[in-house]
Amino acid sequence: QQQVKQSPQSLIVQKGGISIINCAYENTAFDYFPWYQQFPGKGPALLIAIRPDVSEKKEGRFTISFNKSAKQFSLHIMDSQPGDSATYFCAANDRGGSNYKLTFGKGTLLTVNP
Amino acid sequence: GAGVSQSPRYKVAKRGQDVALRCDPISGHVSLFWYQQALGQGPEFLTYFQNEAQLDKSGLPSDRFFAERPEGSVSTLKIQRTQQEDSAVYLCASSLILSGRALETQYFGPGTRLLVL
Repeated sequence: QQQVKQSPQSLIVQKGGISIINCAYENTAFDYFPWYQQFPGKGPALLIAIRPDVSEKKEGRFTISFNKSAKQFSLHIMDSQPGDSATYFCAANDRGGSNYKLTFGKGTLLTVNP
Repeated sequence: GAGVSQSPRYKVAKRGQDVALRCDPISGHVSLFWYQQALGQGPEFLTYFQNEAQLDKSGLPSDRFFAERPEGSVSTLKIQRTQQEDSAVYLCASSLILSGRALETQYFGPGTRLLVL
């Protein structure tokens, strides 16, 4: 059972455009939703994270939108740059219990063309 | 200082060979996680340590997989009698503990890419 579903699998955007990646989750106990960025040959690096008590969080060009009733959240990258080309993973965690392990989506390969 | 480090970065093993993968977490990070990342997939949880105690090993795919962290710092993931399906990147992550609970932010190492022939 895939607990976090991510789409699209790949995305091509022109420089300056908006990149949007979507995730949906099933486990209502999840209450922490990070996005990780991974470059080839590197480990995932935390990009931005949100908790369900807010509907949106913005850090620079990166914004998370969160819809608790729909159990969906998305990452928006404004003014996308070629350096943003990487694989992006959404993830979820249950802070309240002992379920400290992250559950990841399958990833989105983003290519930003110059 | 430095982030999470892992060694070796690459490992080629013949089927049936035993391998040992090392993780050095960030200094002071009590929590340590191992994840397995298959090609084109997201990381999947293998096991979790708090100090030297292995509190969760529910993600280990078989009894050929074994992890230890004897002194609460460096951890080793051992795979016995490797099979081709074990080929993957093995990621280590660490995090702080606050009030007895692991904080959410996990810092990942670069991973060890294991290829079993």
